[in-house]
Amino acid sequence: DAKTTQPNSMESNEEEPVHLPCNHSTISGTDYIHWYRQLPSQGPEYVIHGLTSNVNNRMASLAIAEDRKSSTLILHRATLRDAAVYYCILLTQGGSEKLVFGKGTKLTVNP
Amino acid sequence: GAVVSQHPSWVICKSGTSVKIECRSLDFQATTMFWYRQFPKQSLMLMATSNEGSKATYEQGVEKDKFLINHASLTLSTLTVTSAHPEDSSFYICSASGLAGLSSYEQYFGPGTRLTVT
Repeated sequence: DAKTTQPNSMESNEEEPVHLPCNHSTISGTDYIHWYRQLPSQGPEYVIHGLTSNVNNRMASLAIAEDRKSSTLILHRATLRDAAVYYCILLTQGGSEKLVFGKGTKLTVNP
Repeated sequence: GAVVSQHPSWVICKSGTSVKIECRSLDFQATTMFWYRQFPKQSLMLMATSNEGSKATYEQGVEKDKFLINHASLTLSTLTVTSAHPEDSSFYICSASGLAGLSSYEQYFGPGTRLTVT
């Protein structure tokens, strides 16, 4: 699977939007961009995924660059419960389902 | 949503003993389950992939005779840490991917099991 690059950490204030970037310059045409997050002392949870078009769900939005070499996870109004490590992972359609977790971005939300 | 449980949530055992961790998909049938290990302040590392009714596939560097995985049904996989030692102390997390009806691109994670070997 192609590699992703994320900042080690980011900070936000409560109720403000948060934009978490992810670079994946070697992405292939069949790679889906997945985001998971892990709250402290818990297992990860799925956040969102997309291929080419921007995606929205109840948790977040995913903005994908036109060349697909980067993407941004958007939390529209951060809450204290959004403090977690966010992982950007590429999965190839029809390929292995294995998730390869990098170091992710640790998001701190200030009250 | 799909729910995955793990039991126990935490366990303390003595060096040399074996510990079994259960992973259950509560409201869906999991064709594939994954086992991860996470050391403090580190990311998750995949240990093995198990498919119902077949032998698990272990990642490079993971001792299959030490970490026994059984996926006997579509809702249960077990990880047994045999002859545990203090260096096996870690957070063990399972995940499951489901059959048609659930997105094949989503994995559902259990809450994790914290193992401490004294």
